[in-house]
Amino acid sequence: GAGVSQSPRYKVTKRGQDVALRCDPISGHVSLYWYRQALGQGPEFLTYFNYEAQQDKSGLPNDRFSAERPEGSISTLTIQRTEQRDSAMYRCASSLAASGITDTQYFGPGTRLTVL
Amino acid sequence: DAKTTQPNSMESNEEEPVHLPCNHSTISGTDYIHWYRQLPSQGPEYVIHGLTSNVNNRMASLAIAEDRKSSTLILHRATLRDAAVYYCIPLNYNQGGKLIFGQGTELSVKP
Repeated sequence: GAGVSQSPRYKVTKRGQDVALRCDPISGHVSLYWYRQALGQGPEFLTYFNYEAQQDKSGLPNDRFSAERPEGSISTLTIQRTEQRDSAMYRCASSLAASGITDTQYFGPGTRLTVL
Repeated sequence: DAKTTQPNSMESNEEEPVHLPCNHSTISGTDYIHWYRQLPSQGPEYVIHGLTSNVNNRMASLAIAEDRKSSTLILHRATLRDAAVYYCIPLNYNQGGKLIFGQGTELSVKP
């Protein structure tokens, strides 16, 4: 079946612009996670949802970053007034159960964001 | 959150077994130990997880020390496709599924 999809796959933007990154999880998956990955580093947690409720946003770097999942399916990560330091691969993952610690997370292909 | 220590890199020959160690001496009694790997230019993928007993699946085996302060991921016959960064990740109920990735071990496989 279809896996986690993300769009766009690549985004180049100018400093100061807003960007919206989309994640479409596996159908029926309750939990959705956002991670950010700098080159040569492991993924870094940003935030996660169970259904439409944002459970933990402790990893969001600052208030320019926000995320939503209004209908408990597709999620959007928005970065306002982008800065060069925001350049990274943004990855989304989903899992079947609500925050299950024995569940598998399935990762999408990521969105490569470049801020000029 | 429990801290982990893994070798930065390891090498293996194709079709030989590989033992990837992870030290997690601060792990709590209810932390599950998850392993994910990330192939070049791809997102992480789940490998295996366990709590106390050794675990086997089609991809690998996980050997957990009796005191749970360390674990070893075992690839029984390494293939070129197993070249990846392997992450050992303790996970407890308070984290709600939030994966904390360390630096991982970069495994290279020689033909």
